[in-house]
Amino acid sequence: EVQLVQSGGVVVQPGGSLRLSCSGSGFSFDDYPMHWVRQAPGKGLEWVSLISWDGRSTYYADSVKGRFTISRDNSKNSLYLQMNSLRTEDTAFYYCAKDDGFGTSLYYFDSWGQGTLVTVSS
Amino acid sequence: DIEMTQSPSTLSASVGDTVTITCRASQNINNWLAWYQQKPGKAPKLLIYRASALESGVPSRFIGGGSGTEFTLTISSLQPDDFATYYCQHHNISPLTFGGGTKVEIK
Repeated sequence: EVQLVQSGGVVVQPGGSLRLSCSGSGFSFDDYPMHWVRQAPGKGLEWVSLISWDGRSTYYADSVKGRFTISRDNSKNSLYLQMNSLRTEDTAFYYCAKDDGFGTSLYYFDSWGQGTLVTVSS
Repeated sequence: DIEMTQSPSTLSASVGDTVTITCRASQNINNWLAWYQQKPGKAPKLLIYRASALESGVPSRFIGGGSGTEFTLTISSLQPDDFATYYCQHHNISPLTFGGGTKVEIK
């Protein structure tokens, strides 16, 4: 069974930094691209970032480009999102999600983590 | 960027009804469309990809259709477990975008 387990929620001040983590099991982690998707409380879904299976290619939504960095450590079956220069509008549940594509992205998500609430507030 | 527009935003229905949700893309995305179901406090769940391909384990009452710019998700014979919010998402190319969601509520 595919499982994606995320780190716990936090509160951070505007301008601050935070790293989210996501641990995968039940599948060959290093064969699949991975994503981060977020959802502001009571709002819709917003794709944030994608990383290729080998970590060599990364993609970002314009809203986070230059502030967030996606990375992965396949030796630890782990995905990360480094979030810098945080803004109040970054407050959201952040989900890690597995791409359904083996070796190449199919750009949709067949498994999701449980979500982590990031609150940016002074 | 490709804009995805869903309608209606809310839909009231009864158990046993058949309902249809529409999703429109701002440009041709062929059949690169996925549908997700989300319940309160839970992560979304993949229902359909490539417009009409049913994800493993998803009941056959969920039917996806359409191509190009107009797509539908039909749920036949609504079950109590189906009351949730549904999102479409184009899976054509980055940046990926979702529709605004359709909440299916009990009439």
